Amino acid sequence: GAGVSQTPSNKVTEKGKYVELRCDPISGHTALYWYRQSLGQGPEFLIYFQGTGAADDSGLPNDRFFAVRPEGSVSTLKIQRTERGDSAVYLCASSPGGGGRETQYFGPGTRLLVL
Amino acid sequence: GENVEQHPSTLSVQEGDSAVIKCTYSDSASNYFPWYKQELGKGPQLIIDIRSNVGEKKDQRIAVTLNKTAKHFSLHITETQPEDSAVYFCAATSNSGYSTLTFGKGTMLLVSP
Repeated sequence: GAGVSQTPSNKVTEKGKYVELRCDPISGHTALYWYRQSLGQGPEFLIYFQGTGAADDSGLPNDRFFAVRPEGSVSTLKIQRTERGDSAVYLCASSPGGGGRETQYFGPGTRLLVL
Repeated sequence: GENVEQHPSTLSVQEGDSAVIKCTYSDSASNYFPWYKQELGKGPQLIIDIRSNVGEKKDQRIAVTLNKTAKHFSLHITETQPEDSAVYFCAATSNSGYSTLTFGKGTMLLVSP
């Protein structure tokens, strides 16, 4: 079946602009996670959704970052007033139920470059 | 919070040799330890995982061992092949309610023909 998909695959923007990154999880998966991966580093947790609600947003770096999942499927990560330090690969993952010790399936990521 | 250390950062082996990557974690409550393989330009792909109630798990050429007392776990790849070349990440989660992962910094494995 189809895996996790993310769009766009690449995004170049200018400092101060607003960007939206989209994630389509595996059909039927109720849990959705966003991670950020800087060059040469492992992914770092940003936010976790269970259904439509953000169950844990403790990884969001500041209030410029926001994410939604209004219908419990597709999620959008929104970044306001982008800064050069926001440049990274933004990864989305989903899992069937969100329970502990459950496999997460990752998408290919969106490569964001802020000039 | 959880902290995961991974070594080595790079590993070069000859085709057919074995490769071992080691990770340590800080939170004694951690109970799930997946390993991901990431190829250039792609997202991480799960290759094997282990839960805290077992000490070893094998899947063909790949095995993972877990030592809860020492808080470390290792990935073993036998009979390496050039297509095994990639970046490998270990991760851990300590929240039994849901699985936000803490990742190591990765190991770049290069298998030379």
